[in-house]
Amino acid sequence: ELKVEQNPLFLSMQEGKNYTIYCNYSTTSDRLYWYRQDPGKSLESLFVLLSNGAVKQEGRLMASLDTKARLSTLHITAAVHDLSATYFCAVDSSGGSNYKLTFGKGTLLTVNP
Amino acid sequence: NAGVTQTPKFRVLKTGQSMTLLCAQDMNHEYMYWYRQDPGMGLRLIHYSVGEGTTAKGEVPDGYNVSRLKKQNFLLGLESAAPSQTSVYFCASSYVPELEVDTQYFGPGTRLTVL
Repeated sequence: ELKVEQNPLFLSMQEGKNYTIYCNYSTTSDRLYWYRQDPGKSLESLFVLLSNGAVKQEGRLMASLDTKARLSTLHITAAVHDLSATYFCAVDSSGGSNYKLTFGKGTLLTVNP
Repeated sequence: NAGVTQTPKFRVLKTGQSMTLLCAQDMNHEYMYWYRQDPGMGLRLIHYSVGEGTTAKGEVPDGYNVSRLKKQNFLLGLESAAPSQTSVYFCASSYVPELEVDTQYFGPGTRLTVL
């Protein structure tokens, strides 16, 4: 059974600081997804990482994937208040057929002025 | 395009009542999913479908049934609601065969309370 673990689960940051969220998973997979959820809202896709060494960047967020270590990171650079949200990683557990994702429990990020 | 829509947005049920949640997508996606989200638990897959007329069990299927009679619709049924089914339910869809890269697109959610 695939297990996906995120840490930390809660993260309180000051504006302007850098930090990293980690996503570990227990079985082989080449596809990993990051989503963002604002309070009371739906999930929004941030990144799709398809292979070992993949790196994607959007604004102050950068995601990377190391399939050998079964680890993905979401790095936040110079945090701003608008980044406050819950971030989920999800791993393709359908063997590459892209029809089944297993989600981590999420990291609640709060960026303080 | 409306994307993924869910009906209703809120619902309160009494224990033992039944209801159906409707999910519709207009993106011609092959795959559709129902998740539940509970505090501290992330999203857990209830049932999913890889095409019209097909359904399969996810991680937490007990107490729920689904149907996918039309490609654009995916229905989630609760035959006899229990307080443990109080949750936020999200529908999602994905996959167009012509696209190599895809992700799941989520609906706005249905907040269900069972008393």
